Amino acid sequence: QKEVEQDPGPLSVPEGAIVSLNCTYSNSAFQYFMWYRQYSRKGPELLMYTYSSGNKEDGRFTAQVDKSSKYISLFIRDSQPSDSATYLCAATGNQFYFGTGTSLTVIP
Amino acid sequence: GAVVSQHPSRVICKSGTSVKIECRSLDFQATTMFWYRQFPKQSLMLMATSNEGSKATYEQGVEKDKFLINHASLTLSTLTVTSAHPEDSSFYICSATRGSGNTIYFGEGSWLTVV
Repeated sequence: QKEVEQDPGPLSVPEGAIVSLNCTYSNSAFQYFMWYRQYSRKGPELLMYTYSSGNKEDGRFTAQVDKSSKYISLFIRDSQPSDSATYLCAATGNQFYFGTGTSLTVIP
Repeated sequence: GAVVSQHPSRVICKSGTSVKIECRSLDFQATTMFWYRQFPKQSLMLMATSNEGSKATYEQGVEKDKFLINHASLTLSTLTVTSAHPEDSSFYICSATRGSGNTIYFGEGSWLTVV
């Protein structure tokens, strides 16, 4: 079992839709969780960073961690074509573990 | 703005030559940097962990003599692809941990094409 599992998609939504991206993790010791956005041919960019359980909101983005179910989510409200990218989740204990990434396309 | 810078962003080299890619932390000291390889539409593949002042730790299957990593200062790590071959053509990305080390910042990536 991988430390962090992520559905690779692809996911295609119309502009304005709410997007839900999800990951699960296996190690209950993980405390820090991250979401990265990677545009084609670019390095990943840190979007959200959360510690332990709870929600964190930044503009149209909300990161959610449910440690009881070992579930990490990223919600994008009012999705825009510029949100089209691959989204990577990550968790860290002693090492960093990344999901495989979910490819998102927002259709105008 | 970017906190980790990579250079060059694109490089083309001839088969058999060596090429060096630099990774710099811009406004912080990075005791640990990581090097990844990524093929098109695939996930990041960790190649090695680079610790300042010590030898890099390579992941299983990554050739140490092929991919030389040097972390000579707290703000610079380099990856040298030696005797490059076309199959080494890929997107190479570095990252660094900042502060308490609980999150990672990535460089912009370097596209290597070996012809």
